[in-house]
Formats: sequence, structure tokens, C-alpha cells
Amino acid sequence: GESVGLHLPTLSVQEGDNSIINCAYSNSASDYFIWYKQESGKGPQFIIDIRSNMDKRQGQRVTVLLNKTVKHLSLQIAATQPGDSAVYFCAEKKAGRRALTFGSGTRLQVQP
Amino acid sequence: DSGVTQTPKHLITATGQRVTLRCSPRSGDLSVYWYQQSLDQGLQFLIQYYNGEERAKGNILERFSAQQFPDLHSELNLSSLELGDSALYFCASSVNQLTDTQYFGPGTRLTVL
Repeated sequence: GESVGLHLPTLSVQEGDNSIINCAYSNSASDYFIWYKQESGKGPQFIIDIRSNMDKRQGQRVTVLLNKTVKHLSLQIAATQPGDSAVYFCAEKKAGRRALTFGSGTRLQVQP
Repeated sequence: DSGVTQTPKHLITATGQRVTLRCSPRSGDLSVYWYQQSLDQGLQFLIQYYNGEERAKGNILERFSAQQFPDLHSELNLSSLELGDSALYFCASSVNQLTDTQYFGPGTRLTVL
């Protein structure tokens, strides 16, 4: 039940460390961004989202940062746990459209 | 659990066949989206329905079609199946057209032999 298994960049971190997953988006007209977590054999699970009029948004153990100047999005996970191991996708929504455009994903491996 | 349900979980069929995938959105959600996830293409948007009407189309093949019923469940029909159609098919739902957050179901894994 792997999600996207070929040629995914992998981030390996130690349990308890902070993780930073990066994403470059393509369209300067995108007005909404979202991070999903996908575990093996499961559907994408909503983590956190942010609108283009914001630079930062915090959730529980997660923070999303948006840099519109360089079209860059990052997801920070504090005190990473083994249960955080998964593939993480960023997605963007272009203004006036409904569909999400997904990035290729990053595999996060948490070492105990 | 997102509240979005999909059936079946797995589907194995032969080339040339036709299959129907089913999705029930979260309670109260009017908008349904279909996505395809394959190894070489990642997650690709196929089509969106809102309250029974088609609202947006993405990279959906002519062999594929979808509909949303009055009870808001949706079906994705895939016909004349080819080996390359093997993929995970996800349904997502959102409250309305103005809400951007989409919640995904567990997916249907389609294998075409």
C-alpha cells in the first residue's frame, strides 16, 4: 500500500528532533496551500493549511511557513515521533480553481 | 478517520473491463473530488462534483466518467481498462465550493491485469 514509492526524497531524523520538510510551489497565483500526511496503505490525511495572506500558521506540534517571494512552503514538526513516519505532500490551489495540485512528496523516516 | 468512505478497498480486473468505484463524502459535505495516484504521476486531480453537478475537470480520460447522486455519494466509472490505469483512486470531500480544505478517503487500489 505504498503511496508514491519511486524516487521520493527522504528525510531521516532521530526521535525527539525537529523535522523540516520543504516544498517549492509553481504558481505565484496560488492562494491556498495545504500539507497532507500519507501513511502506507492509507489516504492523505490533512495536517495543516495556510492562505496566501499569511506567512506562518501553527498547529499542534506543526508549523507551516510560507515564503511567497521565493514560492517556498515548509512544514516543521516539533519533537518528531515514530508515528510521524510517512510521506508528506504539499499541495497548492490556484486562485479561482477548486482542484489541488500536489507536489511529489517527501518520505519522513523517524529513527527510534 | 476522515469520515470519507470508499468501496471497494481493492479491485483486480482485466484489460478491457469496466469498474465502478464508490465514494461517500463526510456528512454535510456537498463537494466531491476524485484523484488518481500512480507511481509515476503522483496525485492527479480527475474531476469535481458539487451538489450533483460537475464543476471542474482535470486530467480525466474520456474512458472515465463520474457522477454524484442526490444523496451526495459519488461514483467513478472506469471503462476499457488498460494496464496503465492501475493506481490508487482517492475521493475527497469538502463542505462547499468556498471551502478549500479537502478530506480524503482511504482509497481504492485498482489492479488491471
